Amino acid sequence: GAVVSQHPSRVICKSGTSVKIECRSLDFQATTMFWYRQFPKKSLMLMATSNEGSKATYEQGVEKDKFLINHASLTLSTLTVTSAHPEDSSFYICSARDLRAQIQETQYFGPGTRLLVL
Amino acid sequence: AQSVSQHNHHVILSEAASLELGCNYSYGGTVNLFWYVQYPGQHLQLLLKYFSGDPLVKGIKGFEAEFIKSKFSFNLRKPSVQWSDTAEYFCAVAAAGNKLTFGGGTRVLVKP
Repeated sequence: GAVVSQHPSRVICKSGTSVKIECRSLDFQATTMFWYRQFPKKSLMLMATSNEGSKATYEQGVEKDKFLINHASLTLSTLTVTSAHPEDSSFYICSARDLRAQIQETQYFGPGTRLLVL
Repeated sequence: AQSVSQHNHHVILSEAASLELGCNYSYGGTVNLFWYVQYPGQHLQLLLKYFSGDPLVKGIKGFEAEFIKSKFSFNLRKPSVQWSDTAEYFCAVAAAGNKLTFGGGTRVLVKP
């Protein structure tokens, strides 16, 4: 099946620093990738849709200047949490749609990145 | 806007028991429906999906789900669970060409 990786899997940083999370589709190309945030014991909340070669589309309430998304190639999207604060601590998950998939709505999920901001 | 609700937050059952997890959505148009599973410490995996055709969908690991359009429901079932089915299960809905909306998830604990 399609494989999506994320790096790093865990990161601890000091308040005020920026953290970059990578999402890669390993065996397929993805024009569209998605970034989710999962709070403890809660469901996934879509943060933004990342489109290769164009600007990301952010969900209501998500600060685009704080969560910078770059989708520079068909296999890589990055999420940068700028000037991180403790309330940004969370589990960040990406997913990707296979460009070749007949059914575009099928998404493949990465393993997630746990961010802890001290 | 579409929304998804899962009725049970936690389910505890014994091995060999039958499992049914409820999922209802609100959206008036055509939808694509999914069930994802997240095993402890692992990433989300697709269990099954419905796009069109037979409303009874069979997925991996013996799971199935039935789409009942009139009830806006897509309930997940498994006739006989195993300890390895302990996981969190998420129902998700996408309007055609649109993004996924997830339900709140149901944590299932299967006691050996």
